[in-house]
Amino acid sequence: SAVISQKPSRDICQRGTSLTIQCQVDSQVTMMFWYRQQPGQSLTLIATANQGSEATYESGFVIDKFPISRPNLTFSTLTVSNMSPEDSSIYLCSVESSGSSWEQFFGPGTRLTVL
Amino acid sequence: GIQVEQSPPDLILQEGANSTLRCNFSDSVNNLQWFHQNPWGQLINLFYIPSGTKQNGRLSATTVATERYSLLYISSSQTTDSGVYFCAVGQIYNQGGKLIFGQGTELSVKP
Repeated sequence: SAVISQKPSRDICQRGTSLTIQCQVDSQVTMMFWYRQQPGQSLTLIATANQGSEATYESGFVIDKFPISRPNLTFSTLTVSNMSPEDSSIYLCSVESSGSSWEQFFGPGTRLTVL
Repeated sequence: GIQVEQSPPDLILQEGANSTLRCNFSDSVNNLQWFHQNPWGQLINLFYIPSGTKQNGRLSATTVATERYSLLYISSSQTTDSGVYFCAVGQIYNQGGKLIFGQGTELSVKP
């Protein structure tokens, strides 16, 4: 399985600022995914990021609020813009297995608190 | 869209007890995964099991795709098994790689 790292692991930010979260994979992958987990809740997909194309956003998530970059096959960033306390969540990136299955593996997550 | 329901929502066990967690889904899928989220928030892959039965140590899982449910069995539970267990499903043919998560089962194992 792929080894996935995220930076930062946690952060405390002020309302109105922006934070960029990085996701690095140790092998080339076609699809990368960004999920959000609000406190006490399950995970919800924010967007799918394919290299060389615009990210595909799920209903309820917009590019102006969550811009995503995918410059190559091993790296992606998610920015949380103009933050409010409601953005306090764990943000996780994931990738699909490089084998024949559709299994997904997740990074360790970024725990964000907005004051 | 597809719905995923997990039961029970909460479970408290004494160390050494066995348990069964259930995941029901509302449509056919070609990806089903079980995860354990530890207290630090990390998601650990337990099983990739769109159909059939698998075992890994004290854990095993069965998915009956035709009846749209999956079961996760934990035997001889340990305190380190505590955390939240998520079932997630995907429909590659019309949803890309998107995983849809259930609400989870929060397991607490007491010494």
